[in-house]
Parts: sequence; C-alpha cells; structure tokens
Amino acid sequence: NAGVTQTPKFQVLKTGQSMTLQCAQDMNHEYMSWYRQDPGMGLRLIHYSVGAGITDQGEVPNGYNVSRSTTEDFPLRLLSAAPSQTSVYFCASFSSGNYNEQFFGPGTRLTVL
Amino acid sequence: AQTVTQSQPEMSVQEAETVTLSCTYDTSESNYYLFWYKQPPSRQMILVIRQEAYKQQNATENRFSVNFQKAAKSFSLKISDSQLGDTAMYFCAFGSGGSNYKLTFGKGTLLTVNP
Repeated sequence: NAGVTQTPKFQVLKTGQSMTLQCAQDMNHEYMSWYRQDPGMGLRLIHYSVGAGITDQGEVPNGYNVSRSTTEDFPLRLLSAAPSQTSVYFCASFSSGNYNEQFFGPGTRLTVL
Repeated sequence: AQTVTQSQPEMSVQEAETVTLSCTYDTSESNYYLFWYKQPPSRQMILVIRQEAYKQQNATENRFSVNFQKAAKSFSLKISDSQLGDTAMYFCAFGSGGSNYKLTFGKGTLLTVNP
C-alpha cells in the first residue's frame, strides 16, 4: 500500500511553460485535493474532487486545471506557468469512512523562473 | 468562510519540557473537526491529533494533547516531555463536518526543541 504518491519531487520551469503534476492514491478514497504551501501562508486549497468525473475549485484555483477520470489519479495542470506559482504542492486523499483523516503525498517543489 | 489563526510564528522549548501551541478559529458551524499537523524538515504532512467538535472530552495521543474550548473557539496543542524529533512546523486546521476533504489551515508555528 503506497498511500498517496506524487511525481515529480522537484521541478524547474520557465515562465509560460506548461506541465502536469501527477498524483495517485491506492486506498480507493473518493475524495482528493490539491494544496499549495507558500512561506508564511500555510496550505491553501487549489482544487478538489469528490469522485471520478467531479471536480470543483478551492480557494486559489486561477492558473490551474484538474480532471479526475479515475478514482486513483488526480493530476494538476499548470497551463502557462508564472513566477507566482513557485510553491510546494501537496496532493491529499480522504475517505469519509476513515475518521475524517486526510492522507498527504510527499509534495512537489516547483520553481518558475 | 472559516479562518484559522496561529498567533505564534516561532517557539522554542528545552528538551523534556512542556510547550503549548495556540490556535483560534472562526466559524458559524456547529459540526466540524479540528486537526494538528506536523511538518518536519522532510516536508511530509503528519497528522498529530484530531478533535471532533461534538466531543467535550479533549483528545490525547501519547505526549500530545489538546485544550479544546468550543465557546472561545480555541484549540491549543500541548506537547509534554518534548523531544528533539518534535522540531517541526505545526499547522492547525479546520474541517467542516460535511466536507472534511477541504481543510482550512493556519499559517503555522515553527517549533524548535533545544537539547
């Protein structure tokens, strides 16, 4: 049981480039979320999904796109990277039957130059 | 919208002593959960302790306990017998009862345990 996995661990982009951060979970959790962590800001919710085919926006969704075609995978797409998107990104999964605990991936550190 | 406030950006404690981290929150909901997460230098988010708002009894997990004051909307974390491995960033988080998959986090408190 690998839990929540994220790839890559580190990434450097140039302004305007696009990329996809991958997230996968093997716990059959229905809910998945993406957060970003900035210094002095805590974690902020970007997008979330309540099941395959269903996504919604969080607190800071601009510049990001998500889709959820399977229960296991929840990729986060940066359409045109900007320096303001330099951050650490965490994916999390959650099961309503699991005492309301979110399981976090190891994070991806993204730098946009 | 809910807000979570951690008023102590940094704290330090001597090994084996006790330290308390503060957290206050604002909500109009009656059914919710509160969490403390630990983030060591490895960056991994680790759940330390959780509290259901409907439970009056304060949660305890080994050396970690909370002081949950619902009327005051306060949720502090007490770490007893501090260990060097407790050095980390600590985040307080709020989850609505019906949508705990969307957490609202405080800005964090950096705790350093000194030998």
